[in-house]
Order: sequence, then structure tokens, then C-alpha cells
Amino acid sequence: EAGVVQSPRYKIIEKKQPVAFWCNPISGHNTLYWYLQNLGQGPELLIRYENEEAVDDSQLPKDRFSAERLKGVDSTLKIQPAELGDSAVYLCASSPETGWHGELFFGEGSRLTVL
Amino acid sequence: KQEVTQIPAALSVPEGENLVLNCSFTDSAIYNLQWFRQDPGKGLTSLLLIQSSQREQTSGRLNASLDKSSGRSTLYIAASQPGDSATYLCAVRSSYKLIFGSGTRLLVRP
Repeated sequence: EAGVVQSPRYKIIEKKQPVAFWCNPISGHNTLYWYLQNLGQGPELLIRYENEEAVDDSQLPKDRFSAERLKGVDSTLKIQPAELGDSAVYLCASSPETGWHGELFFGEGSRLTVL
Repeated sequence: KQEVTQIPAALSVPEGENLVLNCSFTDSAIYNLQWFRQDPGKGLTSLLLIQSSQREQTSGRLNASLDKSSGRSTLYIAASQPGDSATYLCAVRSSYKLIFGSGTRLLVRP
């Protein structure tokens, strides 16, 4: 069974440029998460989807970040415009269960460097 | 506000040693706790998930315990191997949030 797939693995851009990350969760997993991980720290939640609905986006900086999961399967996270402080690893995770009882499975992450 | 702390931040042990990693949390009202492993430049691999009603979970050489009342969990690794070298993160699920600790960076020396 394929795991959570993310692309690109690495992205280097100049500040003020846009960037997008893509995530395909494990087949059948209804819940999808985007996390941000800074070096030496644990991941922090950006947004959580149950099917196509964003049920928790309280930590998403909405002035420059956006996300979508149109058909309730794969998802895209966009940053426009990127700032130097956005350099981090963006992790996608999925869970077979809605709510907060299920086990999370993570992708390899997308490492963003903003110059 | 839930806070998760992992001590120590880094640990170096010789191969074959049994070791314990600690995770503490401030709010005992949790749904579950999950331990992850993260290799450099990689994503997180789930190791063990303990529901709030459980006291421990075991997988191979790994054993995780949960004491909600004291706000603590431990991850026990038996007979450590160089391949166990990685960062170990615990994550607590409470109040609809999954809160991570900063991790313990483990090095097992041959």
C-alpha cells in the first residue's frame, strides 16, 4: 500500500515568489493534515481537512497561505508571496478516521528554502 | 493550553543498552498519545499509538507507557542498535489539537 505522497521534495525560491505543495493521502483516508516543521522543533498544525471540508484552519496564516482539497482526496498548499521566515519543512499527514482518535501517517515532507 | 515537553533533548548511548525516552504534557484531558520516529531529512514514521484508556503498547523492542494522571509517557527501547539512531517525537491529542514535543535526538554508538 502506498504511503502519503508529497511533491516537490525540495523547493528553493526567492522571497515574494509563489510556491505550491501537493499531497496525495493514503487511499481511503478521509482526514488530511498540513503541518509546518521548523528545524529542531516538532510539527505545528496549519490546517485539517475532513473529506473536502477544512474543519480546523485556525493556525493557517490566511494573508499569504491557502489550501484546498477540492474532491476530498489530494490537497494543495500554496504560499503567495513567500517570505524568508517561511523556510521550513511542510508535512502532509492522513488518517483513516475523522475526529482525533485515529493514527496519523506522514509523508516525506516538502523542504522550502526562501532566499 | 497543552504543552508537551521531551527530555532529554539529545541522548547518546552505546549499542545494546536499554533506554527510556520521556514525554510530559500539562493537560491530562487527552484522547491519545502517539510516538513517532524521524530520520534526518525524512517525514515522521508512526511507532506506537496509545489511546487514553490504555496504559501501554508494545511493538517489537519498543514499549510505550501512558500515565494520564501524572501527564507522562515513556518510550522504552530494548537492546538499542545503531539503526535506532533518529529523532523521537511524541504527540498528544487533546482539545481537538495534536501537539508535538520538540523531540529527543538519539544516537546509538556501535
